[in-house]
Amino acid sequence: KQEVTQIPAALSVPEGENLVLNCSFTDSAIYNLQWFRQDPGKGLTSLLLIQSSQREQTSGRLNASLDKSSGRSTLYIAASQPGDSATYLCAVRLGGSQGNLIFGKGTKLSVKP
Amino acid sequence: SQTIHQWPATLVQPVGSPLSLECTVEGTSNPNLYWYRQAAGRGLQLLFYSVGIGQISSEVPQNLSASRPQDRQFILSSKKLLLSDSGFYLCAWSEAGHTEAFFGQGTRLTVV
Repeated sequence: KQEVTQIPAALSVPEGENLVLNCSFTDSAIYNLQWFRQDPGKGLTSLLLIQSSQREQTSGRLNASLDKSSGRSTLYIAASQPGDSATYLCAVRLGGSQGNLIFGKGTKLSVKP
Repeated sequence: SQTIHQWPATLVQPVGSPLSLECTVEGTSNPNLYWYRQAAGRGLQLLFYSVGIGQISSEVPQNLSASRPQDRQFILSSKKLLLSDSGFYLCAWSEAGHTEAFFGQGTRLTVV
């Protein structure tokens, strides 16, 4: 059974710092991996999608990497800003006809001005 | 461009009352549709998914049901709510072929 773990559960950093969020999964047979952002009481906003054949994806100050063989992904945020404060969720999509997303519990990030 | 609408945003219902949450997607055809629940301190749990009209798969047996009466409409229902049904319900869609998933803004359900 696929399990997704995100460490740390919470992180507080000063503004301007570069940071890394970690995601690990137990079964390397994934179709893709997606990082989301969730603001309090809101839905999920897709940040980056990495296909299983890819190693990394970049969007602005965000860079996500994928090492499928070791079951790991990282989300790198450069020059963090208070507006980056949110919960970041990692999800792996299973293969097969259903292709369900399996989520980690998230990392709650607080960027202090 | 594609958009997903989910309503209502918040809902307070008494135990034993019925439930109907609606989700619609615009700008795409034959999407895969999903209902997730997010409970406090827990990750998102997949409840139902659908790959086409009238095709519903349930991931977790419980007090809820789902229907897909139209291609881009997905409804989550219950005949009698339980206290344990409280939570944050999220609808999502992706194109067939398991591409990027997009989520609605969620419904906060409180059963009292």
